[in-house]
Amino acid sequence: GENVEQHPSTLSVQEGDSAVIKCTYSDSASNYFPWYKQELGKGPQLIIDIRSNVGEKKDQRIAVTLNKTAKHFSLHITETQPEDSAVYFCAFPAGGGNKLTFGTGTQLKVEL
Amino acid sequence: DGGITQSPKYLFRKEGQNVTLSCEQNLNHDAMYWYRQDPGQGLRLIYYSQIVNDFQKGDIAEGYSVSREKKESFPLTVTSAQKNPTAFYLCASSATGTSGLGTQYFGPGTRLTVL
Repeated sequence: GENVEQHPSTLSVQEGDSAVIKCTYSDSASNYFPWYKQELGKGPQLIIDIRSNVGEKKDQRIAVTLNKTAKHFSLHITETQPEDSAVYFCAFPAGGGNKLTFGTGTQLKVEL
Repeated sequence: DGGITQSPKYLFRKEGQNVTLSCEQNLNHDAMYWYRQDPGQGLRLIYYSQIVNDFQKGDIAEGYSVSREKKESFPLTVTSAQKNPTAFYLCASSATGTSGLGTQYFGPGTRLTVL
């Protein structure tokens, strides 16, 4: 079945540095790649997504890049701030029916 | 105030009891989903429904049941057959259309603990 690998599982950066999280997927037909942020005890919130007709999308300090040939997509956070500390999940469509398969998550910690 | 709500936020159950988790959305979304999240892990799909009066099993449906009698509501019942029900349960909804997969929006979650 379809699966996605997410790395790293934990990431610690200094405030102001950049953070990059990468996901690799198996289904070449995938055409939608969202990223979610989950704060402790809350539901995941969509922060950015990309569709397969573009290679990069930016929204202020957050960007997502997509390499369909290599089957991976990455989340980039620049000028990190303490409030960026959370768990980040990638996802992609799996098996039809509007289902998503989620990565295992990356715990990002931004240190002062 | 539009969105997706789940209740209760915390739920305690004794072994052998069934319990129902509520999920309501006023986003006019056709599709709704239930996920289970265990500590330090990702989300696993339990059940999903693309339209009223229809639903399909996800990856870990055993020990769970759902209904979709109304577009706005998608309750999940955790039955006594679920051997390890303690987890964080998340409900989501999405619009569907001819353009493809719609963004999933999540509720705040229900933390279920079996005593």
